[in-house]
Amino acid sequence: DPKIIQKPKYLVAVTGSEKILICEQYLGHNAMYWYRQSAKKPLEFMFSYSYQKLMDNQTASSRFQPQSSKKNHLDLQITALKPDDSATYFCASSQDRSQNTLYFGAGTRLSVL
Amino acid sequence: GDQVEQSPSALSLHEGTGSALRCNFTTTMRAVQWFRKNSRGSLINLFYLASGTKENGRLKSAFDSKERYSTLHIRDAQLEDSGTYFCAADPNAYKVIFGKGTHLHVLP
Repeated sequence: DPKIIQKPKYLVAVTGSEKILICEQYLGHNAMYWYRQSAKKPLEFMFSYSYQKLMDNQTASSRFQPQSSKKNHLDLQITALKPDDSATYFCASSQDRSQNTLYFGAGTRLSVL
Repeated sequence: GDQVEQSPSALSLHEGTGSALRCNFTTTMRAVQWFRKNSRGSLINLFYLASGTKENGRLKSAFDSKERYSTLHIRDAQLEDSGTYFCAADPNAYKVIFGKGTHLHVLP
């Protein structure tokens, strides 16, 4: 049973539209993260949250907005989508700041046409 | 910025042999993690080290924060060890940055 659920697995969007990527973790962790992997690039850190509060943000664009409605949820809203946003987006979680062994979801592959 | 430099980018080993993957860090890191990407594309955590060494079966990892590097040793490689391995390190408590990965191919 996957303990970190990302939905959808695949997503196709048109340029200019808005999408929300869902992430839920059932590991009882207090910290959650978003990463992005574009073609031929390393896994790129985007955001980290701890107890539903933003801790670190590496994303330049305000078009990317995490949303945490519950402690075990960290969704990612992306507005005004561009073709360059096409990538696989991975959600991860860790126990907390003192022990941040990461556990990853299976990813959402986003294609922007 | 903070960087994780992983090498080699690709490695071929014959079954039964061994080798080491290495990550160098441009800044002092709190801890290092090693991952393997499985057949479904998910990242599986192999090790988490804040210092010293850890061993698990045919894998052994070491982390030297002062010298800014970590290694992952694979011994007695098996065909099922083929895949992509990543190191990742923590420059602070809320950020983990990744290397570019090593594509390991174990040959019969």
